[in-house]
Amino acid sequence: GAVVSQHPSRVICKSGTSVKIECRSLDFQATTMFWYRQFPKQSLMLMATSNEGSKATYEQGVEKDKFLINHASLTLSTLTVTSAHPEDSSFYICSARSASGDNRSQYFGPGTRLTVL
Amino acid sequence: LAKTTQPISMDSYEGQEVNITCSHNNIATNDYITWYQQFPSQGPRFIIQGYKTKVTNEVASLFIPADRKSSTLSLPRVSLSDTAVYYCLVGEGNNDMRFGAGTRLTVKP
Repeated sequence: GAVVSQHPSRVICKSGTSVKIECRSLDFQATTMFWYRQFPKQSLMLMATSNEGSKATYEQGVEKDKFLINHASLTLSTLTVTSAHPEDSSFYICSARSASGDNRSQYFGPGTRLTVL
Repeated sequence: LAKTTQPISMDSYEGQEVNITCSHNNIATNDYITWYQQFPSQGPRFIIQGYKTKVTNEVASLFIPADRKSSTLSLPRVSLSDTAVYYCLVGEGNNDMRFGAGTRLTVKP
């Protein structure tokens, strides 16, 4: 149980285009989902926290107009990287926290590798 | 938010027990301690979580002293496949989402 999926697993796009990454909790409902970015050899950096039905809360230094987050349902959150540039190339990881039971643990997706040419 | 400090890297050999300690001096009363494992190009995987004393599951043990200002993840009889980065997170609710630098464990044959 507690499986989180991400789609796509890998994406390559041209500079200036927008890319959407989906994060789904497959067997549980997630009131809260989190988006991270990870550069090579570095730790995960929290970008934003999204709650179902409300606006996401962004970490300091993360541009909310560039990284659009939509948490439309209890099982789906999307991250859209708008007007992507090569410096946005990174590994994007989402995680979800269950709406019931043990809410002290978060479950991570497998990550999405974004390469902007 | 309780900040965590871990060794940057550790080396071990197959079959040995590995103990990774995390310092969290300003841990709050409601904070839990959670450890994750991450392989390259994968999302972190939950290992173990605890509040105090000792917690054991099928893959690891977590030791937390009475003052809770540190915790030690113990991996028994490591194998090559345990080579990964290990993170400890401290917090409660939505306040434990920020990762520290982690410990890069290398298991050698």
